[in-house]
Amino acid sequence: KAGVTQTPRYLIKTRGQQVTLSCSPISGHRSVSWYQQTPGQGLQFLFEYFSETQRNKGNFPGRFSGRQFSNSRSEMNVSTLELGDSALYLCASSLVSRQGGVYEQYFGPGTRLTVT
Amino acid sequence: GQNIDQPTEMTATEGAIVQINCTYQTSGFNGLFWYQQHAGEAPTFLSYNVLDGLEEKGRFSSFLSRSKGYSYLLLKELQMKDSASYLCAVDQAGTALIFGKGTTLSVSS
Repeated sequence: KAGVTQTPRYLIKTRGQQVTLSCSPISGHRSVSWYQQTPGQGLQFLFEYFSETQRNKGNFPGRFSGRQFSNSRSEMNVSTLELGDSALYLCASSLVSRQGGVYEQYFGPGTRLTVT
Repeated sequence: GQNIDQPTEMTATEGAIVQINCTYQTSGFNGLFWYQQHAGEAPTFLSYNVLDGLEEKGRFSSFLSRSKGYSYLLLKELQMKDSASYLCAVDQAGTALIFGKGTTLSVSS
């Protein structure tokens, strides 16, 4: 069974630009969560989508948004990029949502975003 | 406030047993996760504890005490490949997953 895939793997953007990251979950998984990982803050939860609906949201500004499509693929968008947005962005998929039972997540390899 | 504490670094030798502690103070609690993350790789799921007690899965065991806000991950028969970062994460009821900063474990021969 194919794992979680994320594209692109690496990205360099300039301050003020916007960026869209893509995540394809494991086949059959309907929950997709997004995380930001930095050396200083560690792993931080951005949001979770289940069946095209945002179920949970972390403490990030409105510049960070996401969506999920009917095939469970998800995209994350960051507008007006700041230097502090440089991070590894991880996507994780699960068969059920966090309210739906044992929540075993499978992470993708991540997208390394560098903002200059 | 919300806080999850883990030791920053630990060292151990092959074949030994190591216990990685995690204490938490969060506004809600559904359960607690442990993840393993090797350098440059994505985290992999190890365990999820909802009820108090010990859950064993091969060489790895995870313990939870909800009343004490405390969990630990126990690794037995350490191997070199266990050198990694171990992340503790609290599933807050209805909201976010809160992660600790992680414990970097170095296993030497």
